[in-house]
Amino acid sequence: DADVTQTPRNRITKTGKRIMLECSQTKGHDRMYWYRQDPGLGLRLIYYSFDVKDINKGEISDGYSVSRQAQAKFSLSLESAIPNQTALYFCATSGRGVRFQETQYFGPGTRLLVL
Amino acid sequence: AQSVTQPDIHITVSEGASLELRCNYSYGATPYLFWYVQSPGQGLQLLLKYFSGDTLVQGIKGFEAEFKRSQSSFNLRKPSVHWSDAAEYFCAVGDFGNEKLTFGTGTRLTIIP
Repeated sequence: DADVTQTPRNRITKTGKRIMLECSQTKGHDRMYWYRQDPGLGLRLIYYSFDVKDINKGEISDGYSVSRQAQAKFSLSLESAIPNQTALYFCATSGRGVRFQETQYFGPGTRLLVL
Repeated sequence: AQSVTQPDIHITVSEGASLELRCNYSYGATPYLFWYVQSPGQGLQLLLKYFSGDTLVQGIKGFEAEFKRSQSSFNLRKPSVHWSDAAEYFCAVGDFGNEKLTFGTGTRLTIIP
């Protein structure tokens, strides 16, 4: 089984709908991240969490919220989806090691289309 | 703020030929640098990373990268590419202060027979 799983893998929704993307990990990592990937823009950080009680905004958090339900689960919500949130979303995890000596492990991604 | 530039959007290389993907970074201190690969339909996988020490870093799948402080570069190389190397490659720089990664826009690699 994959260490970092994301559900759903693909989602089509309409403008104004609330949706949730879920991420689960079995690596026992404390740190979890949500990124979005857009063609020509690379990956941009939306939110990150260093433990269950520590959640931080990334560079593009507007229009998104997150919930860290447990060490292993980190959900991303779009409260009212808009078309420019159409993108590929990745969850990642890393351990509590010396800075950056713990690799970030990425899930397979969720492809979201907002009509 | 840190930034990463990958000047080549798309590169095409013949199978068996050598490869060099360019990465330039902007960061005020000693950078933490990474190369990730994204195969079609997959998440990102770490190829290699540089923190300090030897400026030539070896990674998985036969890749290596060289850190050149004077040129603010961290180029990825492979002496002989295989068709399975076709993917998108991302360079990233780490922020020591808040432990975030900033990614470049990626270089898509196509391999031709």
